[in-house]
Amino acid sequence: GAGVSQSPSNKVTEKGKDVELRCDPISGHTALYWYRQSLGQGLEFLIYFQGNSAPDKSGLPSDRFSAERTGGSVSTLTIQRTQQEDSAVYLCASGLWGRGHAGANVLTFGAGSRLTVL
Amino acid sequence: TQLLEQSPQFLSIQEGENLTVYCNSSSVFSSLQWYRQEPGEGPVLLVTVVTGGEVKKLKRLTFQFGDARKDSSLHITAAQPGDTGLYLCAGAQGGSEKLVFGKGTKLTVNP
Repeated sequence: GAGVSQSPSNKVTEKGKDVELRCDPISGHTALYWYRQSLGQGLEFLIYFQGNSAPDKSGLPSDRFSAERTGGSVSTLTIQRTQQEDSAVYLCASGLWGRGHAGANVLTFGAGSRLTVL
Repeated sequence: TQLLEQSPQFLSIQEGENLTVYCNSSSVFSSLQWYRQEPGEGPVLLVTVVTGGEVKKLKRLTFQFGDARKDSSLHITAAQPGDTGLYLCAGAQGGSEKLVFGKGTKLTVNP
């Protein structure tokens, strides 16, 4: 597709349930990021994938959070045993390092998946 | 501890006014970006600056990267209601591709 696609756009779940959030990046983009945004706040880095390199998982808040990227394309963010504090918008972005802007990654974001944990 | 501090957090002005928002850090960044986000959407890249002292203009928006590459500013001339949104700065350090964001400045331009 032309942009980054995320699904579901909205997810309401009960505390303790597991959820999976999906990201379809722009075709050919080697970099893929997951961020979390609480209401009206900035973006909190979660995890970063770049090509075949080991992902940078330094932003994952707990071991309940995990992510994988299959075939260098689609990524899934999994949250196990959800808690109310996990409620937020989860944003995915993809990019090509340095494309058009020397020394910087140009990211295209999806519209996000809004997670509400009751 | 927030790596990138943005100020002000909220800004409400009248159409036609000028404004400046700031993005500050005690750390050096190899590049710094500004994004604008509207409700229900993901952030959209406005500009990337990579050279200390660099100034870039995008119509009524002027972006500046500090000489020491620790801070940046965004100046909007003659603001319009369409400029309303959350303005986010983001930076990468050294050879890292990890992009960290500030908390943003929520701008409201009233007609």
